[in-house]
Amino acid sequence: EVQLVESGGGLVQPGGSLRLSCAASGFTFSSFEMNWVRQAPGKGLEWVSYISSSGSTIYYADSVKGRFTISRDNAKKSLNLQMNSLRAEDTAVYYCARVLAPGYSSSPWGQGTLVTVSS
Amino acid sequence: DIQMTQSPSSVSASVGDRVTITCQASQGISSWLAWYQQKPGKAPKLLIYAASSLQSGVPSRFSGSGSGTDFTLTISSLQPEDFATYYCQQANSFPLTFGGGTKVEIK
Repeated sequence: EVQLVESGGGLVQPGGSLRLSCAASGFTFSSFEMNWVRQAPGKGLEWVSYISSSGSTIYYADSVKGRFTISRDNAKKSLNLQMNSLRAEDTAVYYCARVLAPGYSSSPWGQGTLVTVSS
Repeated sequence: DIQMTQSPSSVSASVGDRVTITCQASQGISSWLAWYQQKPGKAPKLLIYAASSLQSGVPSRFSGSGSGTDFTLTISSLQPEDFATYYCQQANSFPLTFGGGTKVEIK
């Protein structure tokens, strides 16, 4: 069974940092592109970042560019999101999701991890 | 960036009803359009990809159509488990963008 499990969320002060991880199982992780998508409380979905299967191609939403860094460790079947200079508006549930090629739809998604930025 | 405009924002319907949700892209995206279902407290689930391809395991009462800038998700006969929020997403280019969502509620 394909499974994605996020971890690393929590409460952090504005300006602080947090590192999210997504553990993949049930598929050949190194063959798949991955996305991070977030959802602020009571709001819609917002794409955050994309990484290709090899890690050589990366994209970010303008809202996180320069503050967030996506990476992956194919040997460990792990996707990561390093989040620095966090702001209140970064408060959201963060989901990792496998890209369904061709195109950039996502399936499946992890269960999500909540990041709360507050003093 | 490609803007995705989804309508309606909410719809009240009864079990057995036919429900149609539309999504309009601000520029052409060929058939690179996905539809997701999200229930409260749960992760989104892919229903349709490439505008009209049914994701494995998704009931056939769900269908998608359209190309270019105008797309439609249809639920042919609404079931109790279909009450949820639905999102479209353009899967054509970065930044990926989502519609604002359509909440399907019980009438």
